[in-house]
Amino acid sequence: GPKVLQIPSHQIIDMGQMVTLNCDPVSNHLYFYWYKQILGQQMEFLVNFYNGKVMEKSKLFKDQFSVERPDGSYFTLKIQPTALEDSAVYFCASSLAHISYEQYFGPGTRLTVL
Amino acid sequence: SQWGEENLQALSIQEGEDVTMNCSYKTYTTVVHWYRQDSGRGPALIILIRSNEREKRSGRLRATLDTSSQSSSLSITAAQCEDTAVYFCATESITGNTGKLIFGLGTTLQVQP
Repeated sequence: GPKVLQIPSHQIIDMGQMVTLNCDPVSNHLYFYWYKQILGQQMEFLVNFYNGKVMEKSKLFKDQFSVERPDGSYFTLKIQPTALEDSAVYFCASSLAHISYEQYFGPGTRLTVL
Repeated sequence: SQWGEENLQALSIQEGEDVTMNCSYKTYTTVVHWYRQDSGRGPALIILIRSNEREKRSGRLRATLDTSSQSSSLSITAAQCEDTAVYFCATESITGNTGKLIFGLGTTLQVQP
């Protein structure tokens, strides 16, 4: 079936550094999402993105976070600067439409902030 | 939290048994997604049930949705070892209609041979 890829699978960085998480969504999908999952806790919505714009963001999507998809390439999540509490697994998802449609998830990027 | 009653559960059953996992939610939704997540992977949709469907089946899976009690269930018939995974329910937030999913804590299912 359709696959979402995420690069890298693991990232270890020092607190205060910048990190960019990359997502290669399903090719004909139009809606893109980032979710955050801390070990043992539920998956939480961060942001969604359509037609070059953020549609909705949660309280977890701090000012240090930004998303973009320049020229239809990777959908990226940038954190600058990073904080210890940003350590988590970040999942990217994409969907063809946004209401009552399946969201296809990538395998996640495990981010460790030291 | 969206999910008032659900806590992270761990269930262990024998191969061949039936199992039902339940979810309850606080705010109105028109659709419930059921995802499974295998270790080291992202969630994968297994059933999507809409508010006009009280029940939906897919192979050995059966989902129900009761909008009056704001609850949903996922049943697996004759469980197999490959059903071992974490199962999540998720609702779509109708605020803003952006497709935002609100996940439950999940149920860890272990099927023993």
